[in-house]
This record gives sequence, structure tokens and C-alpha cells, in this order.
Amino acid sequence: AQSVAQPEDQVNVAEGNPLTVKCTYSVSGNPYLFWYVQYPNRGLQFLLKYITGDNLVKGSYGFEAEFNKSQTSFHLKKPSALVSDSALYFCAVREGEDSNYQLIWGAGTKLIIKP
Amino acid sequence: EAGVAQSPRYKIIEKRQSVAFWCNPISGHATLYWYQQILGQGPKLLIQFQNNGVVDDSQLPKDRFSAERLKGVDSTLKIQPAKLEDSAVYLCASSTRLAGGKNEQFFGPGTRLTVL
Repeated sequence: AQSVAQPEDQVNVAEGNPLTVKCTYSVSGNPYLFWYVQYPNRGLQFLLKYITGDNLVKGSYGFEAEFNKSQTSFHLKKPSALVSDSALYFCAVREGEDSNYQLIWGAGTKLIIKP
Repeated sequence: EAGVAQSPRYKIIEKRQSVAFWCNPISGHATLYWYQQILGQGPKLLIQFQNNGVVDDSQLPKDRFSAERLKGVDSTLKIQPAKLEDSAVYLCASSTRLAGGKNEQFFGPGTRLTVL
């Protein structure tokens, strides 16, 4: 069965420092991986996705994520954190090309960037 | 491009009452999703439509929840009767069918339901 784990409920980073939000997954085939961000009282916004190709994926707001097949991970990163990056981040995975397969969501990681 | 619209934004009801949520997806998006997001958790898919047909409703509590997408555009999610544990944010999302599973979903702002 497909699953995705975000091992940290909360990540605290000082402004200007690099940040990493962790995600690991389990699928039986090739994964399609997504990161979404949720700001307070707002809906989820798409950040980036890995479908195939280069393991390093660049997305919105300066975020990037690295697909690591051997470690079954898709960690979200940013070289220099901003206070405005403080939000809830969700990793999601789908197995295969058919959109009729559900997107499986992690529980979310709260990112707090301190000035 | 207009985003996914949802209404109402907030709703407070007593248990055993009924409630309905409305969603208007992005124009041209064939796939529409309803999610339930309980505080502190990731979204849980309730139902997925492809045009006006149901693709997946395996996690929809069908004894009290119903949803329809007439004409393959707008959608309504109804709860009747509501229980305390239905308190959550109900998110509507849409995506294009082209390239199916590779596509990201676009979310509306959600409806925050409180059942007292």
C-alpha cells in the first residue's frame, strides 16, 4: 500500500539559514511526488513536483526538493529561509500515471522561521 | 485565471442538522476532488469526480455524506445529519485530465465547519 511520512511535526529555523522539511514514501511502482504549502486560513498551494528526470526539482518561492530513490525520500529545501515561509507543508505521493489513483498525503510539517 | 471558488467560508451548525458546501472549479478542469482536513492532519479524500462521474468515493461516509457534480462543472457536498466529528475544513480541488496523474491539484480556500 502507498504511504507517505513526514517525521517532524514542526521545524524551527532562523531567518537566513537553510531549511529542510523531510518526506519519505512507500509505493510499489514509480512515484509521482508533490509538495504543497498551506498558509493560515488559506487553501493548499502547489510548490513543486517530481515526475521523472532530474532528481533535483525547483519550484515556487525558491524551494527545491531532491528525489532520492534509494532512500525513498523527497525532502524539501531552501538555501535561505524567510519569515514569510512560515506555514504548514504537506508531502504527497501518487503511484503511477493514472490520476484515478488517489494522492496520498502526509500529516504535514509546521515550519516556523524566526527573525 | 480565476481560482477554485468555495462557499460558504465558515459554517456553524448544531449536531443532527444538515449542511451543504458549494465548489466551482477552475474553468476546463475535468477532475474535481472533495477533501476533509481535520486540524493537525493531512487532507483525506472524500470523493473524486471525472466530469460528472464518480471515480473514487471509497472514503465517503455514505450514510450521511453525499456529493454531486451535475453538468460536470460545479459540485455540492452535503452532510445530513452532521456529527460532532464532522468538524473540519472541507477543501475542494480541481485538476486537468490531460497527463492525469502528473498534474497538480488547485485548491479552493476551504469551508471551515464547526458542529456544536
